[in-house]
Amino acid sequence: KAGVTQTPRYLIKTRGQQVTLSCSPISGHRSVSWYQQTPGQGLQFLFEYFSETQRNKGNFPGRFSGRQFSNSRSEMNVSTLELGDSALYLCASSRGQGDGYTFGSGTRLTVV
Amino acid sequence: QQQVKQSPQSLIVQKGGISIINCAYENTAFDYFPWYQQFPGKGPALLIAIRPDVSEKKEGRFTISFNKSAKQFSLHIMDSQPGDSATYFCAARGAGANNLFFGTGTRLTVIP
Repeated sequence: KAGVTQTPRYLIKTRGQQVTLSCSPISGHRSVSWYQQTPGQGLQFLFEYFSETQRNKGNFPGRFSGRQFSNSRSEMNVSTLELGDSALYLCASSRGQGDGYTFGSGTRLTVV
Repeated sequence: QQQVKQSPQSLIVQKGGISIINCAYENTAFDYFPWYQQFPGKGPALLIAIRPDVSEKKEGRFTISFNKSAKQFSLHIMDSQPGDSATYFCAARGAGANNLFFGTGTRLTVIP
């Protein structure tokens, strides 16, 4: 059974640019959540999508946005990149509320 | 404010020894407490999880002990092996929610 797939694995962007990250959940999983992982702040929740609707949002600025498609695949977008956005961005999928997560290997974003 | 506090930050254990990682929380609305294991370059992987109606849960060499009145829970790794060397995160989730609040992580090193 295929796991959660995140692409690309690595990205280098310049300050002020925007970036789009992609996540393909496990087949049958309808919930996709995104987390940011940094050495200083640890793992922080960005947002969750279920059936193409944002169900929950963490405490991040509006530059961080996401969406989910009808096949449950999800994208997150960060606009006007700042140096502090450098992080590992993790996507996790689950069948629905109350089920355990399966995380992908993440996208390592470096902003220079 | 850190919703889940984790200690120690790092831990060195001899092969065959017991590794113990502790977490504490304040929010009594939390009703699901998972532990994740993360290797370098990988996303966190669910190890074991517990709900507050149970005081202990064991899966193989991994045991969660849960103290509801003290609002604390801990992970015990029995017969620790070098392959257990990884970063461990505790987490908590509120009832009716799907997002996790993570501890800051414990880097475990098991020396042969």
